[in-house]
Amino acid sequence: DTEVTQTPKHLVMGMTNKKSLKCEQHMGHRAMYWYKQKAKKPPELMFVYSYEKLSINESVPSRFSPECPNSSLLNLHLHALQPEDSALYLCASSPQLAPLEQFFGPGTRLTVL
Amino acid sequence: GENVEQHPSTLSVQEGDSAVIKCTYSDSASNYFPWYKQELGKGPQLIIDIRSNVGEKKDQRIAVTLNKTAKHFSLHITETQPEDSAVYFCAVASNTDKLIFGTGTRLQVFP
Repeated sequence: DTEVTQTPKHLVMGMTNKKSLKCEQHMGHRAMYWYKQKAKKPPELMFVYSYEKLSINESVPSRFSPECPNSSLLNLHLHALQPEDSALYLCASSPQLAPLEQFFGPGTRLTVL
Repeated sequence: GENVEQHPSTLSVQEGDSAVIKCTYSDSASNYFPWYKQELGKGPQLIIDIRSNVGEKKDQRIAVTLNKTAKHFSLHITETQPEDSAVYFCAVASNTDKLIFGTGTRLQVFP
């Protein structure tokens, strides 16, 4: 298996909802990333996990809460989001950190109403 | 911090022509330079990368060149095809574990 999968593909949520995004890879990669991408912009790094530990948090608001339950799985828990949080959320993985090839999933298109 | 500039922002070519996209960076410690292709509705796909100890790398119709002295690197696509139409992002990394992306180039290849 040589891909990163993300679910769901699309998500619409209200500002009071709680939802989660899921990312999975079975390539044995030990680093996993969350990015946010607005339309016509490059991906912006949010979080980095290395060996299941959070190593980088790019000053992301606490309404985004990452979790890495095991080496293959990465979640992003969402709570009390704002309409401006609507974006494409991308997950990526790489064999290790600094700096190696990152492989991206297809993303979750999030709309906050 | 690192600053990556990418030009042009849009590029239109006829099928069969070549396309060149250029990126400049500011941090001389940067040592890894990937290029990503992003098609509509999809995640970025790594298409080629180069490290600072190499000046050029080629993979079929795609090549990347790196000029460390001038701090710029370029993506070259030869014999372009309509399926090459996409947004292309350059990126730069050092040992800080972060990729810094350029602003993107929308490439359109007309049949």
